[in-house]
Amino acid sequence: DAGVIQSPRHEVTEMGQEVTLRCKPISGHNSLFWYRQTMMRGLELLIYFNNNVPIDDSGMPEDRFSAKMPNASFSTLKIQPSEPRDSAVYFCASSFMARANTEAFFGQGTRLTVV
Amino acid sequence: AQTVTQSQPEMSVQEAETVTLSCTYDTSESNYYLFWYKQPPSRQMILVIRQEAYKQQNATENRFSVNFQKAAKSFSLKISDSQLGDTAMYFCAFMKHAGDDKIIFGKGTRLHILP
Repeated sequence: DAGVIQSPRHEVTEMGQEVTLRCKPISGHNSLFWYRQTMMRGLELLIYFNNNVPIDDSGMPEDRFSAKMPNASFSTLKIQPSEPRDSAVYFCASSFMARANTEAFFGQGTRLTVV
Repeated sequence: AQTVTQSQPEMSVQEAETVTLSCTYDTSESNYYLFWYKQPPSRQMILVIRQEAYKQQNATENRFSVNFQKAAKSFSLKISDSQLGDTAMYFCAFMKHAGDDKIIFGKGTRLHILP
C-alpha cells in the first residue's frame, strides 16, 4: 500500500487566493482526519470523517475553511480566501476505526505558505 | 473534553543515555488508547508505541517503553540506549475508544540526541 497520499507537498499562494489541499487515504480505512501543525499551536485537529461523513468539525477555525469527502478514497480541504495566518503544515491521516489497537497513518503533509 | 499535556518543550541527552518524556492527560473515560508518535525532520509522523488503558502491563517496543499510570493519568515514554536517529519531535496522543472518535495530540517535545 502506498500509504496516505497528500498533494501538493508545498504550496505558496498570495493572500486572498483559494487553496485546495488533497488527500487520498489508505484503501479500506474508514476514518479520515485533517490536522494543522504550527509552532505555536502544535497539532490541531480540524475535522474528521467517519465513513465519508463529517463527525466533528469543531476544530475548523472559521468559515473560510471547508472540507469534503465525496467518496472513500478522496478528501479535500479548501481555504477561501487564504490569509497569511493560515501558513502551516496540513496533515491528512486515515485509520480503520472499530478495530482494537487502531492507529492513525499520516501523509507527508502539505506545507502551505500564504504571502 | 480530553486534553493532553506535554510539559517538556525541548530536551537534550547524550547518545546511549536513557531519556524519559512526560505526558499527562485528562479524561473521564475508563477505556481509551494512548500513543506516542515521532516526527523526525522529514516531517513524517511515525507511530512509536501504543497502550490500551484496560491493559495494566506497560507496552514495550525494542528500546521504547512506557510507564502508564492510569490513576495519575500519566503516560511517559522511556527511550533506552538513545541513538542519533531518535532526534525528533515526540507527540503524545489520546483516543477515547476505537470506533468513533478523534485522536488528540499534545504540543510535543523536541528531543535532541547529542553525539
